[in-house]
Amino acid sequence: AQTVTQSQPEMSVQEAETVTLSCTYDTSENNYYLFWYKQPPSRQMILVIRQEAYKQQNATENRFSVNFQKAAKSFSLKISDSQLGDTAMYFCAFILIIQGAQKLVFGQGTRLTINP
Amino acid sequence: KAGVTQTPRYLIKTRGQQVTLSCSPISGHRSVSWYQQTPGQGLQFLFEYFSETQRNKGNFPGRFSGRQFSNSRSEMNVSTLELGDSALYLCASSFFRDETRWGELFFGEGSRLTVL
Repeated sequence: AQTVTQSQPEMSVQEAETVTLSCTYDTSENNYYLFWYKQPPSRQMILVIRQEAYKQQNATENRFSVNFQKAAKSFSLKISDSQLGDTAMYFCAFILIIQGAQKLVFGQGTRLTINP
Repeated sequence: KAGVTQTPRYLIKTRGQQVTLSCSPISGHRSVSWYQQTPGQGLQFLFEYFSETQRNKGNFPGRFSGRQFSNSRSEMNVSTLELGDSALYLCASSFFRDETRWGELFFGEGSRLTVL
């Protein structure tokens, strides 16, 4: 079964602090892609960062970076210098490509609150 | 460039009724996916359409169906509504042809369905 587990339902940090969100996944596939999506209170989900499983180098996107441990099937998101606008639900996900079709499998989400 | 548009944004139905939700993808995107979001189950994949063909389907009963038109707009239909169908239904489009952008979904704001 393909599953994604986010063990932290909620987190809260002060503005400007660094926070790390955890994610583990399970798949028997060898080639896949991993993602972090963000859903702010307005509800529109947006892509934060993307990681190809075949790449050893961790992806970075400005203040966002990941720690990808393929053997451990771990994919954590680090947010540096957190800002109030980072307050949102964060979903870890991986993509399966099945017969040319794509299907994202999401974790349950982590509700992150950045306090002033 | 206009984003993904979903209509209606909010709707209230009673058990046994049926509902049709609409999604207009970003211009040029031919892949449209639908997800159901609930507090208990999180985000669950419903189905994906590409060029008017359903390529992948999630684990939902046959009451959930969808289609895609030649202009890539998509609709999903839920018949014989049950209380448990109350959820936020999210539509996402993507430019699937480009492997470097697999999994990069652009989400609409969702249609909030309440079943009484």
